[in-house]
Order: sequence, then C-alpha cells, then structure tokens
Amino acid sequence: EAGVAQSPRYKIIEKRQSVAFWCNPISGHATLYWYQQILGQGPKLLIQFQNNGVVDDSQLPKDRFSAERLKGVDSTLKIQPAKLEDSAVYLCASSVGQGVLVNIQYFGAGTRLSVL
Amino acid sequence: GENVEQHPSTLSVQEGDSAVIKCTYSDSASNYFPWYKQELGKRPQLIIDIRSNVGEKKDQRIAVTLNKTAKHFSLHITETQPEDSAVYFCAAKGGNQFYFGTGTSLTVIP
Repeated sequence: EAGVAQSPRYKIIEKRQSVAFWCNPISGHATLYWYQQILGQGPKLLIQFQNNGVVDDSQLPKDRFSAERLKGVDSTLKIQPAKLEDSAVYLCASSVGQGVLVNIQYFGAGTRLSVL
Repeated sequence: GENVEQHPSTLSVQEGDSAVIKCTYSDSASNYFPWYKQELGKRPQLIIDIRSNVGEKKDQRIAVTLNKTAKHFSLHITETQPEDSAVYFCAAKGGNQFYFGTGTSLTVIP
C-alpha cells in the first residue's frame, strides 16, 4: 500500500513570501489532516477534511493560511504571506473512517519550512 | 477542547532497561489513544493504540495501559534497544479531532 505523499520535502522562503504544500493521501482514505509541528512540540491540527468538506479548521490562521481539497483526493495548503513563526514541519495525514469511526492516521514525511 | 499532557519530556535509559511515558487527558469523552514514534527527520509512525473499552494492550516489547477514571494512559517499553531511541507522542481522540502531547525524547544508551 502506498503511503501519504507530500511535496516538497523542504522549502526555504523569506518572510512575506508565499508558499504552497501538496499532499496525496492513501487511496480510499476519506479523511485528510494538515498538522503544523514546531520543533520540540507535538503536531497541532490546522485543518481536517472529510472528502472535500472541511470538518474542523478552528486552529487555522485564516488571515494567512488556506487549504483546499477540491476533488476529495489530494490537497494543498498555502501560506500567504509567511511569517518567521511559520517555520515548522507541515505534516499531512489521512485515515479511512468517517466521523467517530476515524481511527488510525497515517502520516506523510512532511514538508520542512524555513522562513528567513 | 481536549488537553493532553505528556511526561517526561526527555528520558534516558540503559539498554535492556524499561521505559515508561505517561500522558493525561482532560476530556472524558475521548475514546481512542494512539502512540506514535518519530525518528529524527521522519514521519510519525503508529506503534500501538488502545480504545476506551480496554484497559491494557500489549505488542511484543510495547504495552499501553489506560485508566479512564484517572484519565491517564501510559506507554511501557521493556528490554529497550538502541533503535528505540526516538521521540514518542501520545494522542487522544475526542470527537473528530486528535490532540497530541508534546513528546518524549527517549535515548537508549548502549
């Protein structure tokens, strides 16, 4: 079974620039998550999709972050404009279930973003 | 929302000894508790999980215990090996969302 694919693996940008990350979940997985993992901390959920609908985006800084999953498969996360504090690893994860049946999450390798 | 606390933040053990990592959670409705291992620069990997209707689960050298009354769960690694060195995260699932602990950096000294 292919895993969760993410690209790019690394990105270095200057503050106020824009950046986009891409995620392709495991085939058949309805739920897709974007997490931000700051060095030394646990993953923090940014947004969760169920198919192409948003389930939870309460911790997404909507003034600068946006995400979409138009066809219910792959997803993009964008930051515009980036700030220094956005430096982190952005992890994408997917799971097969829906609602309270969502259980095992499978993570991608992440995109390490450095904002200078 | 849910709040997950994890202790200790760092842990060093001699090879062959046991390691225990503890997490507490705040939402009594949380019903699923996975543990992830993350090696440096790699993705988090699920190593064991437990559901709220079970008190203990074991998989070879790894075990997890859950005390719903006290709202805490623990990861136990026995006969530790150098390849167990990594950061371990606990998580609690409440409703649709997963809440992660802050991680424990485990070092197994050969």
